[in-house]
Amino acid sequence: GENVEQHPSTLSVQEGDSAVIKCTYSDSASNYFPWYKQELGKGPQLIIDIRSNVGEKKDQRIAVTLNKTAKHFSLHITETQPEDSAVYFCAADNDYKLSFGAGTTVTVRA
Amino acid sequence: GAVVSQHPSRVICKSGTSVKIECRSLDFQATTMFWYRQFPKQSLMLMATSNEGSKATYEQGVEKDKFLINHASLTLSTLTVTSAHPEDSSFYICSAISGRGYPEQFFGPGTRLTVL
Repeated sequence: GENVEQHPSTLSVQEGDSAVIKCTYSDSASNYFPWYKQELGKGPQLIIDIRSNVGEKKDQRIAVTLNKTAKHFSLHITETQPEDSAVYFCAADNDYKLSFGAGTTVTVRA
Repeated sequence: GAVVSQHPSRVICKSGTSVKIECRSLDFQATTMFWYRQFPKQSLMLMATSNEGSKATYEQGVEKDKFLINHASLTLSTLTVTSAHPEDSSFYICSAISGRGYPEQFFGPGTRLTVL
């Protein structure tokens, strides 16, 4: 099955700086890569996603890049704000199933 | 759009009892729903995939007789934890696919189960 690795496990950034989270996947058949933000005690919220036929996608301060050859994808958050503090999960979709990374706890210092 | 609700948000029960958790898609018809379990500070682990009108497909290691799933309509799936034990205490989260916007999965707010 699919194996998704996510790094780093924790990330502390100064408000206004950028945050980058990287993920790799193992199954070349995976073709959809969503990113979720989860706040304490809540369900995951889809923040951005990318499909295998696209290399990069941007939505305001958030961007995702995908390298299918290397089987890795990354989340970029620019101009971080305190409300960006949360746990972020990457995932890879294969055969209608999501496999999640272990998560990254992002802390934005004011 | 694409709102998924869960009920209850929290439940505490005694060991040996059964607990039912509901997952509803509020503004779309969900062709497929998923049930996940999440332990503290860990990732989401898929338990089962539920399609309306058919039997759920369970992931390896998940006991189908312990975690009963019913997907009776295109907007409702239920998870029943039977004969719950303290080790079943966890955060249970459902998600749904609309079919129109596949493959996006929309997640519910989760249900915190505590078994005493």
